[in-house]
Amino acid sequence: GQNIDQPTEMTATEGAIVQINCTYQTSGFNGLFWYQQHAGEAPTFLSYNVLDGLEEKGRFSSFLSRSKGYSYLLLKELQMKDSASYLCAVWDNQGGKLIFGQGTELSVKP
Amino acid sequence: NAGVTQTPKFQVLKTGQSMTLQCAQDMNHEYMSWYRQDPGMGLRLIHYSVGAGITDQGEVPNGYNVSRSTTEDFPLRLLSAAPSQTSVYFCASSYSIWGGTNTGELFFGEGSRLTVL
Repeated sequence: GQNIDQPTEMTATEGAIVQINCTYQTSGFNGLFWYQQHAGEAPTFLSYNVLDGLEEKGRFSSFLSRSKGYSYLLLKELQMKDSASYLCAVWDNQGGKLIFGQGTELSVKP
Repeated sequence: NAGVTQTPKFQVLKTGQSMTLQCAQDMNHEYMSWYRQDPGMGLRLIHYSVGAGITDQGEVPNGYNVSRSTTEDFPLRLLSAAPSQTSVYFCASSYSIWGGTNTGELFFGEGSRLTVL
């Protein structure tokens, strides 16, 4: 079966750095995604990791360790507009399914 | 570009009624899927399709049917609506699910908000 865990809520201060963790157990693995979702909107793509290591994209970085079934999303220089839900998702290629975690609601405070 | 288009955006049904949520994409994507999103539950996969004529069940398929007669369209049918199907439904598509140089990124529609009374 599949199991993806992330913290439900996090709070951080504007200008700070926050790390959102994701652990997963799936029957197959073909990549891990992070999506951002603002309230009332559709999810939008942030990052993709298929090999171990760090992928950096501006203020956002994502890390993957396949042996540990672990990923994190790092957000630097937090801005108020970063307040959103962050969704971790894993491609289970044995079934052709993209399975999501429950999402982490991030609140950025002034 | 239109991307992924879902209709309707809002719908209210009575228990037992049937309806179809429409989804169309103009990106020639092979992979299409339907998710539902409930508070605190994240996105749960209902059905998906890896190409025209091929569909398969996701995590929560009961009460829903799909078909994929063309590459562009992937309608979701509620056979007999129940209050438990009150949710926000997202259709999403991807060029490929097989990774490599293509990330398999999902493109989402704007969502359809369904209320079953």
